[in-house]
Amino acid sequence: GENVGLHLPTLSVQEGDNSIINCAYSNSASDYFIWYKQESGKGPQFIIDIRSNMDKRQGQRVTVLLNKTVKHLSLQIAATQPGDSAVYFCAEMGYGAQKLVFGQGTRLTINP
Amino acid sequence: GAGVSQSPSNKVTEKGKDVELRCDPISGHTALYWYRQRLGQGLEFLIYFQGNSAPDKSGLPSDRFSAERTGESVSTLTIQRTQQEDSAVYLCASSLVGGSGNTIYFGEGSWLTVV
Repeated sequence: GENVGLHLPTLSVQEGDNSIINCAYSNSASDYFIWYKQESGKGPQFIIDIRSNMDKRQGQRVTVLLNKTVKHLSLQIAATQPGDSAVYFCAEMGYGAQKLVFGQGTRLTINP
Repeated sequence: GAGVSQSPSNKVTEKGKDVELRCDPISGHTALYWYRQRLGQGLEFLIYFQGNSAPDKSGLPSDRFSAERTGESVSTLTIQRTQQEDSAVYLCASSLVGGSGNTIYFGEGSWLTVV
């Protein structure tokens, strides 16, 4: 069945360093991918998305990479700041589907 | 409104009571979603609305759970005869239209505690 998961449940990086959060998915029909940031006690906040016809997309300090061959998605955050500390979720939607399927999340901690 | 609005933000209820959770999507968004998130877990899909219709309610965990949407706007998630296992954050989200490629925005959630 469909499954979206994460390689690492926790990640600690030094402030100012770059971080990479990884996500694996198993649905070959996945067409659309979104990364969300969730701070404690808040709802998921949209960060960046990517369609399956792309392999890279950049935002402000964030880059999402998609490797369809190995069904792998990553989120790169440049020059991390204390405010980047949160749980990050990847989610996917299949072509023709109507719902997002979420992974379990990775907790990112920025050390001063 | 500017974003997805949910109420109440927190609800404590006794086991066996019914609860209603409300969601106001972003104005003009025709697609609306409900998800459940247990403590420390990922998001579980509950139900999807396109307009006032629910083409996908496959995630509702039991017949104690129901949801409706009126006026292609406000949605209410109702949990009858609540049980302790229902304790979770209930998240509502909306997008302009349903389907792949349409950004889905979430509210802050309604935290439900059943005692």
